[in-house]
Amino acid sequence: DQQVKQNSPSLSVQEGRISILNCDYTNSMFDYFLWYKKYPAEGPTFLISISSIKDKNEDGRFTVFLNKSAKHLSLHIVPSQPGDSAVYFCAASAYSGAGSYQLTFGKGTKLSVIP
Amino acid sequence: DTAVSQTPKYLVTQMGNDKSIKCEQNLGHDTMYWYKQDSKKFLKIMFSYNNKELIINETVPNRFSPKSPDKAHLNLHINSLELGDSAVYFCASRDEWETQYFGPGTRLLVL
Repeated sequence: DQQVKQNSPSLSVQEGRISILNCDYTNSMFDYFLWYKKYPAEGPTFLISISSIKDKNEDGRFTVFLNKSAKHLSLHIVPSQPGDSAVYFCAASAYSGAGSYQLTFGKGTKLSVIP
Repeated sequence: DTAVSQTPKYLVTQMGNDKSIKCEQNLGHDTMYWYKQDSKKFLKIMFSYNNKELIINETVPNRFSPKSPDKAHLNLHINSLELGDSAVYFCASRDEWETQYFGPGTRLLVL
């Protein structure tokens, strides 16, 4: 059973416009949420995160919104650039005991920014 | 300066062989992980090591054994490789605020 879902496998956006990537989760124990960006043949790169006590976190062109009641988060990229084309993974963190935290990943959304 | 590095990047081997993948992080983190990305592209946790102590073992076959000689290294040894072990394996380390940083991945192909 997927605890973190990214229902859109792909998204195409025109350069300069806003990209919105969505993520839903089911586990109320998640207390920290992250977005990772992944290029082919490379490891996931940390992009931005948000704690469950916040509803918004902004870093340059990237903003993550968290709606705890809906168990939904989204990543906004504005303006979108061709270099943003990659697979974006949503991840949620929960404490798993003995000082360790476990990340659960969504399946990813492939973003294509069209010049 | 590479924060989390893995070797080798590509590994092609025959069924039944034993192989190891090495991981090193220079971030000073206490906790490291191994993940498997399967053909469906899901990233799933396999192991977690906190200061050389195994914390999580997510129902991984015992043919897989993590070994941590020190907190900067977490190696993955796989015995009797099977076709289904073909995947991309990622190493990661975690900072004190729950953010994990990933290595470039090791692409394992079992023939």
